[in-house]
Amino acid sequence: GDSVTQMEGPVTLSEEAFLTINCTYTATGYPSLFWYVQYPGEGLQLLLKATKADDKGSNKGFEATYRKETTSFHLEKGSVQVSDSAVYFCALSRNTNAGKSTFGDGTTLTVKP
Amino acid sequence: NAGVTQTPKFRVLKTGQSMTLLCAQDMNHEYMYWYRQDPGMGLRLIHYSVGEGTTAKGEVPDGYNVSRLKKQNFLLGLESAAPSQTSVYFCASSRTGDSSGANVLTFGAGSRLTVL
Repeated sequence: GDSVTQMEGPVTLSEEAFLTINCTYTATGYPSLFWYVQYPGEGLQLLLKATKADDKGSNKGFEATYRKETTSFHLEKGSVQVSDSAVYFCALSRNTNAGKSTFGDGTTLTVKP
Repeated sequence: NAGVTQTPKFRVLKTGQSMTLLCAQDMNHEYMYWYRQDPGMGLRLIHYSVGEGTTAKGEVPDGYNVSRLKKQNFLLGLESAAPSQTSVYFCASSRTGDSSGANVLTFGAGSRLTVL
């Protein structure tokens, strides 16, 4: 079945540092890939998405590229802020499977001033 | 524009008690889902629904029941709560794919359940 593997956390960075959170997936065909973010005490919300190979999703300075050859969707940001502190989830879904999503375990990011 | 609303936000139960979590969405979404979130385990799908009057089992359905009598509501029931059901429960909904074909989930704020 489908699965998503994220780099283990937690990750602690200083403000303005470069961020990479690795995500790889196992799936047949061409699922859609997502990054969701969960701020403290809140539900998850969509950060960015990509629906086909070589697509780049971007939002709020975050980027991720759908790499079919390496089955990866790594999240990057050039300069993190304290307000980026949150839990980040990589996920995949298929429109042919009732839209069910498979999530990674989440990576906790803490940015210190 | 409320999105997805979950009630209650917090609940403490004793082992063996029953309760129902309510999820309501105002976006006319076809699909609805119940997930549980446990430390270090990401989100696991409990049950889901692809439309009014339909439900299906997810990854971890045991000990839970669901109903979707109205399109906008999805109820999660615990008939006899157990300490292993202590968790944060999230409801989510989605259309049948957005303009790009992706199935983007909209989540509620969560319901924290403790079973003693």
